[in-house]
Amino acid sequence: GAVVSQHPSWVICKSGTSVKIECRSLDFQATTMFWYRQFPKQSLMLMATSNEGSKATYEQGVEKDKFLINHASLTLSTLTVTSAHPEDSSFYICSARQGAVGLAKNIQYFGAGTRLSVL
Amino acid sequence: KNEVEQSPQNLTAQEGEFITINCSYSVGISALHWLQQHPGGGIVSLFMLSSGKKKHGRLIATINIQEKHSSLHITASHPRDSAVYICAVSSFGNEKLTFGTGTRLTIIP
Repeated sequence: GAVVSQHPSWVICKSGTSVKIECRSLDFQATTMFWYRQFPKQSLMLMATSNEGSKATYEQGVEKDKFLINHASLTLSTLTVTSAHPEDSSFYICSARQGAVGLAKNIQYFGAGTRLSVL
Repeated sequence: KNEVEQSPQNLTAQEGEFITINCSYSVGISALHWLQQHPGGGIVSLFMLSSGKKKHGRLIATINIQEKHSSLHITASHPRDSAVYICAVSSFGNEKLTFGTGTRLTIIP
């Protein structure tokens, strides 16, 4: 099946620094990528939807200047947590979708996630 | 009330037991997804279905569109099936997924 690689899997950083998380589709072109955040024992919360070559669409309550998303190519999207603070500590997951035609293309392939700890 | 509700929230069973996890939703959907999240956090998409039934190995997923209900069954459960199982739905014209809160399954050897 399709593979989505997310890197790093775990990162610890100091408060005030920025952290970049990469999400790559390894064997397909991802027209759309999604970024989720998950708190312990809670479900995934969609942060933003990113389409290749255009600005990301952020969900209500998500600060676009805080969580910078770039989707410069059909196989790579990045999430940068700027000026990280301890409350940004969470599990971040990306997913990628192949295309908009046909029901089967609506399947989202998930990355393994990145656990961010801000000290 | 959440748009997607799962039951039970937690389920512990002995190895070999037949497992059923339920998902009910309140909105019109284009597809329903079953996902598996292992303790490390990674998520695997198990099924996407819009009608009927799908089977993959020991996993079976069914959906009843009229009743807005889906079930995920695991036959001959094994400790490696221990994970959180998440139901999610997508709507026509909306590519976003709406997630249930998950069912934490623990299979005891």
